[in-house]
Amino acid sequence: DSGVTQTPKHLITATGQRVTLRCSPRSGDLSVYWYQQSLDQGLQFLIQYYNGEERAKGNILERFSAQQFPDLHSELNLSSLELGDSALYFCASSIAGQNTGELFFGEGSRLTVL
Amino acid sequence: AQSVTQLDSHVSVSEGTPVLLRCNYSSSYSPSLFWYVQHPNKGLQLLLKYTSAATLVKGINGFEAEFKKSETSFHLTKPSAHMSDAAEYFCVVSDSGIQFYFGTGTSLTVIP
Repeated sequence: DSGVTQTPKHLITATGQRVTLRCSPRSGDLSVYWYQQSLDQGLQFLIQYYNGEERAKGNILERFSAQQFPDLHSELNLSSLELGDSALYFCASSIAGQNTGELFFGEGSRLTVL
Repeated sequence: AQSVTQLDSHVSVSEGTPVLLRCNYSSSYSPSLFWYVQHPNKGLQLLLKYTSAATLVKGINGFEAEFKKSETSFHLTKPSAHMSDAAEYFCVVSDSGIQFYFGTGTSLTVIP
């Protein structure tokens, strides 16, 4: 158990809808990262938050947004969903700022868009 | 700029034979390097990490990796493959634990 919790584990929805994925980082970790993993694109970095502030942006679509709350949990919002958004979405956390720190991953949220 | 190249997208070995998964990195700083493993429909799990201490790093499940600065490599090895090692493996480089750069992954198949 990595200590990172993601909900929901599975989600099925229709095109055009909006969903919210939730992540609780490991206790003490200030940084949260979101990744998208699909068969055709592999593992793609979406966005990083550190202590409530956006730190880095990767290949995140404008239809997607995220935030990190004062209690350090994070949410990834996906809107106007398309078939191609079907993927496994991972959250990871790290202490950040320490050069020995590693990422701890949750089990992922599997999104299916029909 | 940081980047990682995993030289093989697929590796196939027989059970009981050695495993070699290759990784080259590019880093402007003294990097931290990691190997992660992902079993089907699971999250990524840390196998081992290098953080400027001993260049030969031992990880879980009998895996180890050697940091070679002159070759900018961090290859993952295991003396004897087990069926349970079949998974996707990711090599990762980090600059000071803030941003992490993933390789494209190597799929390991173990043949009984």
